[in-house]
Amino acid sequence: DAGITQSPRHKVTETGTPVTLRCHQTENHRYMYWYRQDPGHGLRLIHYSYGVKDTDKGEVSDGYSVSRSKTEDFLLTLESATSSQTSVYFCAISEGIGGFYNEQFFGPGTRLTVL
Amino acid sequence: ELKVEQNPLFLSMQEGKNYTIYCNYSTTSDRLYWYRQDPGKSLESLFVLLSNGAVKQEGRLMASLDTKARLSTLHITAAVHDLSATYFCAVDIFGIQGAQKLVFGQGTRLTINP
Repeated sequence: DAGITQSPRHKVTETGTPVTLRCHQTENHRYMYWYRQDPGHGLRLIHYSYGVKDTDKGEVSDGYSVSRSKTEDFLLTLESATSSQTSVYFCAISEGIGGFYNEQFFGPGTRLTVL
Repeated sequence: ELKVEQNPLFLSMQEGKNYTIYCNYSTTSDRLYWYRQDPGKSLESLFVLLSNGAVKQEGRLMASLDTKARLSTLHITAAVHDLSATYFCAVDIFGIQGAQKLVFGQGTRLTINP
């Protein structure tokens, strides 16, 4: 397995509370991504990072913010969690081989339930 | 907007049979990825297809890419129970500074019965 960990692995929270999920990598890869997985939708990109302090929005970014203060850590924050954000969240990393394609490797996932 | 569609979404088959999962996408791309996911687990990379006509094989699985038809197939030969899983295809589009954002299909849940 690529050196990717996510924390926490499971979390139950209440509507309106802030939540931060952490992705940590030991591969020194440049690119990091946050996806959410919901039944019938596959995985959808929330935000991604192309370097320290460099981030951009993905397909479903509303209600989420991210930060990357060092290469190895990429944080996903739900400022005020809603029930629609109940999901499984996956972090992914990639290096960028020759700039042509980036095979992405996925972390173990975080199951978040918002009551 | 890039859309990726897989079919079938559910597939139940017997051991020893052959079958094909289809992945259609809506805009031009030369890069397509296949992943496997076991229940409650993460995604495991199976194949990376990087050009028109690309074919990759690993054991009983073979993937191909036709960029002109915007179609990739994942063929299963003589299925065995261990191949039961959910299979995803994904197409990437360029983000900022070389980042490549994956757009996934809905997934095909494959169940192989003895």
